[in-house]
Amino acid sequence: DTGVSQDPRHKITKRGQNVTFRCDPISEHNRLYWYRQTLGQGPEFLTYFQNEAQLEKSRLLSDRFSAERPKGSFSTLEIQRTEQGDSAMYLCASSLQDPGTVYNEQFFGPGTRLTVL
Amino acid sequence: AQTVTQSQPEMSVQEAETVTLSCTYDTSESDYYLFWYKQPPSRQMILVIRQEAYKQQNATENRFSVNFQKAAKSFSLKISDSQLGDAAMYFCASDSNYQLIWGAGTKLIIKP
Repeated sequence: DTGVSQDPRHKITKRGQNVTFRCDPISEHNRLYWYRQTLGQGPEFLTYFQNEAQLEKSRLLSDRFSAERPKGSFSTLEIQRTEQGDSAMYLCASSLQDPGTVYNEQFFGPGTRLTVL
Repeated sequence: AQTVTQSQPEMSVQEAETVTLSCTYDTSESDYYLFWYKQPPSRQMILVIRQEAYKQQNATENRFSVNFQKAAKSFSLKISDSQLGDAAMYFCASDSNYQLIWGAGTKLIIKP
């Protein structure tokens, strides 16, 4: 396993179109996270999954954003009716969370850079 | 709410010299972790070093070390013998159970 992968690496779309990004985590990792990173800023947490359960989604930026992890492996992040303000890097990370531990090292993918024209 | 602040948008250092990047944080958690991540241009985020809050001893990883001052909520990163490959954005982050809270980053420039 070579780490977290994301597809596509770059996406250019027109305002109003829907886009979907995919993330493949490290195979044994049970947690998967989505972040958004705008230019010159640190990542901003969006949502996360433990296996197939989405345990936190209140930080998704609007109801245009949704994420799935149907089989507890790969995940998709969809943005409907894209707006220019959605232009950013979308990062995926995964971790192995053992019960009773606090430590949570997240391994990041290369990101998908979205440009909305 | 947890916050992480990096007050240095950009730092530069001469190759082979030492540089310190600053970070302060605020948390109500009693047990937490702090991290420094590196993001090279157009490359993915990589963990540089982590610190467990309940440990007094400062973490060290080769040329990278931290100065963790728990009472002051300060967590600085020292890079010794800076190399050209250290040029990157450096982000400080704290672990809030399931998510990382990030600072805005410091751009590190290495002068040859």
